[in-house]
Amino acid sequence: AQSVAQPEDQVNVAEGNPLTVKCTYSVSGNPYLFWYVQYPNRGLQFLLKYITGDNLVKGSYGFEAEFNKSQTSFHLKKPSALVSDSALYFCAVRGGGSGTYKYIFGTGTRLKVLA
Amino acid sequence: DTAVSQTPKYLVTQMGNDKSIKCEQNLGHDTMYWYKQDSKKFLKIMFSYNNKELIINETVPNRFSPKSPDKAHLNLHINSLELGDSAVYFCASRWGDPSSTDTQYFGPGTRLTVL
Repeated sequence: AQSVAQPEDQVNVAEGNPLTVKCTYSVSGNPYLFWYVQYPNRGLQFLLKYITGDNLVKGSYGFEAEFNKSQTSFHLKKPSALVSDSALYFCAVRGGGSGTYKYIFGTGTRLKVLA
Repeated sequence: DTAVSQTPKYLVTQMGNDKSIKCEQNLGHDTMYWYKQDSKKFLKIMFSYNNKELIINETVPNRFSPKSPDKAHLNLHINSLELGDSAVYFCASRWGDPSSTDTQYFGPGTRLTVL
């Protein structure tokens, strides 16, 4: 069965410092991995995805994520956090096998960037 | 122009009532979804349609019935509303057939409160 875990409910980071939001997954076949961000009272917005190719994926707003197959991880990173990055971040996975068309979302990690 | 729109944005109703939430996308996408986000922000897929055909039907009570009159619309009807149905319901859409890994675009959400 597919699953995705975001082990931290909340991550606090000072503005200007690098940030990491963790995600690990479990799927059969090759994984398709996504990061979304949700601002208060808004829908989810796409940040980036890994389908195949380079393990380091660059996305919107200066975010990037690294796919690590051996550790089954897809951590979200940003070199220098902004207060405006404060939001709820969701990792999602879709398996590559036939019939596995569901997108499974993690429980979300609240990022707080402190001025 | 709103890509994925939902109506209403807020819905407050009494237990036992029947209500509908509408979703429309103007992106020309082939696949649409309904998700439920509970009070802890956990996001779970409910249904998915591809070209008006139901392709994902999670273990959702049969009081919930999706309807897709055409490719651009996916409505959600809920009978005999219960307190536990209170949540934010998100519609999403994307290009391609069920095996596509294209990005999902989310609507702004409908906050349903059952009293």
